[in-house]
Amino acid sequence: EVQLVESGGGLVQPGGSLRLSCAASGFSFSSYWMHWVRQAPGKGLVWVSHINSDGGTTAYADSVKGRFTISRDNAKNTLYLQMNTLRADDTAVYYCARSGGGLWGQGTLVTVSS
Amino acid sequence: QSVLTQPPSASGTPGQRVTISCSGSSSNIGSYNVYWYQQVPGTAPKLLIYRNNQRPSGVPDRFSGSKSGTSASLGISGLRSEDEADYYCAAWDDSLSVPVIFGGGTKLTVL
Repeated sequence: EVQLVESGGGLVQPGGSLRLSCAASGFSFSSYWMHWVRQAPGKGLVWVSHINSDGGTTAYADSVKGRFTISRDNAKNTLYLQMNTLRADDTAVYYCARSGGGLWGQGTLVTVSS
Repeated sequence: QSVLTQPPSASGTPGQRVTISCSGSSSNIGSYNVYWYQQVPGTAPKLLIYRNNQRPSGVPDRFSGSKSGTSASLGISGLRSEDEADYYCAAWDDSLSVPVIFGGGTKLTVL
């Protein structure tokens, strides 16, 4: 089955860290750019970061630049988002998505609160 | 504030046709393809339209997309109760800080 499955979300204190994972299956993961998109409670979709197929090119939204790092392991068919120095406004459901828009994970909730 | 502008809400009665607009600029819609997503609250977005007017397999032909200049629109004909959801447009952008942008979303209510 073609799917993306995120994991790693949870409750973390301000200033803390989390690493999200996105396990891909059913397609040639190494051939696709991948994205992280987040959605704060009751708000719209916001692009966070993307990475090209071999991991050599990355980009970040200004709001997370310097704090978040996107990476991938094509041997493990897995995408990652390392999130450091988390703030309350990072609270959101985080989705991984395959470039082209046709495949999204189910999302994982990150809550930053003391 | 989103770079792509959508009306916050839209509504229609069953069987009607509704259109949702998405207004951008030369650095995004004017230069790149537009994508449309449907999101039922509590679920992941679902791709409805890609490359301005193409429907993925499984998306009913009641859904259509168009683009002209720096604006795009999503049309939904034969409105059904299950179409009640949030709809988002998206496009790449020439901005170095935000290369992928979404509209603010339109909540569609089926009366």
